[in-house]
Amino acid sequence: EIVMTQSPATLSVSPGERATLSCRASQSVSINLAWYQQKPGQAPRLLIYGASTRATGIPARFSGSGSGTEFTLTISSLQSEDFAVYYCQQYNNWLWTFGQGTKVEIK
Amino acid sequence: QVQLQESGPGLVKPSETLSLTCTVSGVSMSSYYWSWIRQSPGKGLEWIGYIFYSGSTITNYNPSLKSRVTISLDTSNNQFSLRLASVTAADTAVYYCARAQSGSAFEYWGQGTLVTVSS
Repeated sequence: EIVMTQSPATLSVSPGERATLSCRASQSVSINLAWYQQKPGQAPRLLIYGASTRATGIPARFSGSGSGTEFTLTISSLQSEDFAVYYCQQYNNWLWTFGQGTKVEIK
Repeated sequence: QVQLQESGPGLVKPSETLSLTCTVSGVSMSSYYWSWIRQSPGKGLEWIGYIFYSGSTITNYNPSLKSRVTISLDTSNNQFSLRLASVTAADTAVYYCARAQSGSAFEYWGQGTLVTVSS
């Protein structure tokens, strides 16, 4: 099983500031990495797939980078609606696994 | 517009079998990976398994649950189902159904349904 480790667990950011979230895989997943946003009481929403491709309708302030074992999700200028929990997920092999999440909270 | 909707009992007794159905609308079920994913209260996401149909069906389950899980497909009704046997309190979670394309992420999700295991 590929273990996905996200850091930090909680990120306190002021509106308008940049947020940088990290995700590390226990072995290479190439670029088979997705990011999701989850708000309370809602299902996760796909933001990024293929490590850096934005899903349909996702604003340009969300960007993803990385390959292999190290990945980053950047939110360039946090809006009020961006405060949520973010998960990374690998789909490189057929045992799909998620990270434990990073909560982005208002500073 | 692709939509997924989970349905099933919200309360299951310990040692019994949890059964959920996901109804899919707006798309054919062929050539996609239809998955179940769960999220325990206050915790992260756990992929349970998928079923893939393209003439024949293929299933794949998380090894941690494999001995207790069955996922099946009813293409005539555009539904797929989850059965999880011998449940305990540790199986209490919000259960989501979701769709992925080959070699890609979960682009569509149901709203989720809370299943509580309790006597």
